[in-house]
Amino acid sequence: DVKVTQSSRYLVKRTGEKVFLECVQDMDHENMFWYRQDPGLGLRLIYFSYDVKMKEKGDIPEGYSVSREKKERFSLILESASTNQTSMYLCASSQGGTRPNEKLFFGSGTQLSVL
Amino acid sequence: GDSVTQMEGPVTLSEEAFLTINCTYTATGYPSLFWYVQYPGEGLQLLLKATKADDKGSNKGFEATYRKETTSFHLEKGSVQVSDSAVYFCALGASGTYKYIFGTGTRLKVLA
Repeated sequence: DVKVTQSSRYLVKRTGEKVFLECVQDMDHENMFWYRQDPGLGLRLIYFSYDVKMKEKGDIPEGYSVSREKKERFSLILESASTNQTSMYLCASSQGGTRPNEKLFFGSGTQLSVL
Repeated sequence: GDSVTQMEGPVTLSEEAFLTINCTYTATGYPSLFWYVQYPGEGLQLLLKATKADDKGSNKGFEATYRKETTSFHLEKGSVQVSDSAVYFCALGASGTYKYIFGTGTRLKVLA
């Protein structure tokens, strides 16, 4: 069965800490995405990657960076965590191409709390 | 820019009731349209999709038709079950890009 695996289901961090969220997919997908999900706001795209070492900013990239050194792994980095980054973070992947008619496969999410 | 607007919830229905969740979109070009469902404690999973005008997506008794003239993709089910209780997201795949844009989600609660 195809899988997108996020390393942690729940994470609690302190303000100012550097935080790494890891995501691994086993489907050889070209595209990978990081979203955050907040009540009343739906899913908002933080960053996406369409190939190894390639990345593009989404709608809310401020305070985040990403790394994609291997095709199967896409990491989200919070350089200095702040309380307004408390959220559910969802990783997703898809096969690729510039006409996204392929479905997204999602991980189970990481609920991050920044205290 | 491209956007998706879906009806606010929560929607509360009795079992076997008819369900409609409205979704409209704004997009340039020819987007693909999707409905995703999120069960409690889980990530999103694809429910159905349509890739061109007049296409009907269907799955598990749910249906939605891609209406270009009204820029809509409303989700319907003739008879809901308690197990359909979840959050439903309408989304579009923006033409010529890698981006997917999601609505804010509609929570459905079905009572026995």
